[in-house]
Amino acid sequence: DIVMTQSPDSLAVSLGERATINCKSSQSVLYSSNNHDYVAWYQQKPGQPPKLLIYWASTRESGVPDRFSGSGSGTDFTLTISSLQAEDVAVYYCQQYYSSPFTFGPGTKVDIK
Amino acid sequence: QVQLQQSGPGLVKPSQTLSLTCAISGDSVSSNSVTWNWIRQSPSRGLEWLGRTYYRSKWYTEYAVSVKSRITINPDASKNQFSLQLNSVTPEDTAVYYCARRISDTTSFDYWGQGTLVTVSS
Repeated sequence: DIVMTQSPDSLAVSLGERATINCKSSQSVLYSSNNHDYVAWYQQKPGQPPKLLIYWASTRESGVPDRFSGSGSGTDFTLTISSLQAEDVAVYYCQQYYSSPFTFGPGTKVDIK
Repeated sequence: QVQLQQSGPGLVKPSQTLSLTCAISGDSVSSNSVTWNWIRQSPSRGLEWLGRTYYRSKWYTEYAVSVKSRITINPDASKNQFSLQLNSVTPEDTAVYYCARRISDTTSFDYWGQGTLVTVSS
């Protein structure tokens, strides 16, 4: 199974400041046939299911604000919130869908400083 | 707009069977471009993918090794829904269970059910 790790476990950022979350996969999730990294990012608020933010490591899902961006390739990935808003307080998960079983990172909790 | 509506009991006794259903609107369980998945979430195990069903000229299912001996996912085209059965449950199976859709070869899980907290307790 591909293991997904995230850092930090939690972070507190001032409103309007940048938040950066890192994710690492235990093996490459890059499909050479289409040059896409099969990594997704989700936001989860209490009592709600996860919400897809980013797929293919850097493609924003429709309707997701452009302050959310994803980057990285191979085994190292980053989710950046360029200017943190109050509504961004949540837990963020990375996930690989390169091969089953599809696995998630442990999550990073983002709070307001 | 795709919607997934989950139903099923929130309390199951140890050694019995957990059964949940996910009713689909805005898409078809028989679509040949998506897969239909069950995922659970608990404090001890985090988010855990359990398995999927999908139609590609015939029905396929795939299960996580961790539950393979106990799980069944069944599509029901007549009702446009799919179900989860997990046998011989223990308190370790206590979790919030979600159904979710994935469009093959592009996005990951883009639509989710509302979640069902299932507690395994006598």
